[in-house]
Amino acid sequence: AQSVTQPDIHITVSEGASLELRCNYSYGATPYLFWYVQSPGQGLQLLLKYFSGDTLVQGIKGFEAEFKRSQSSFNLRKPSVHWSDAAEYFCAVGRGFKTIFGAGTRLFVKA
Amino acid sequence: NAGVTQTPKFQVLKTGQSMTLQCAQDMNHNSMYWYRQDPGMGLRLIYYSASEGTTDKGEVPNGYNVSRLNKREFSLRLESAAPSQTSVYFCASRSSRVGAEETQYFGPGTRLLVL
Repeated sequence: AQSVTQPDIHITVSEGASLELRCNYSYGATPYLFWYVQSPGQGLQLLLKYFSGDTLVQGIKGFEAEFKRSQSSFNLRKPSVHWSDAAEYFCAVGRGFKTIFGAGTRLFVKA
Repeated sequence: NAGVTQTPKFQVLKTGQSMTLQCAQDMNHNSMYWYRQDPGMGLRLIYYSASEGTTDKGEVPNGYNVSRLNKREFSLRLESAAPSQTSVYFCASRSSRVGAEETQYFGPGTRLLVL
């Protein structure tokens, strides 16, 4: 069965510290992988995506993610977190109507 | 471009009432989607429309109907609202532009409370 797991319901990091949000997936074919961010009261905004090629992908707002096929993972990273990064982050896998979203990880940033 | 717009932003219904959630996109996308978001469950697909004139069920279609009115508009109807339909509803459309395929663009959401 296809699934997406985000093991951390919430994470708290200090401003300026590095960040890694975990995402593991189960998918029958070569996956299309996405990270979205949702600020409070807003819709989802695409941060980055992986379809093929270089397994390290760069996104907006200084985020990057690395696809590791052997570990079925697509973890999101940022070297230095800003207070404005506090939001909920969703990992997704699939194509079109077959896109599956994870349950989300809420990021808290402390001063 | 406004992107994906949704109305209303908030709605309170009594059990048994009906309502229609409206969604429109101005990006000339063929595919449109309706999701619901519940705490701890991510987004779940209710219905989708791959192109104008077609609609299909998603993961959680019970209690809902949809209409793809034209290429721009995709509405979601609750015929007899139930408390279990309290949720945040998102509409999305998918790009078909070369290099941006598979990217979904989301509206701001409709927060629905059914009493």
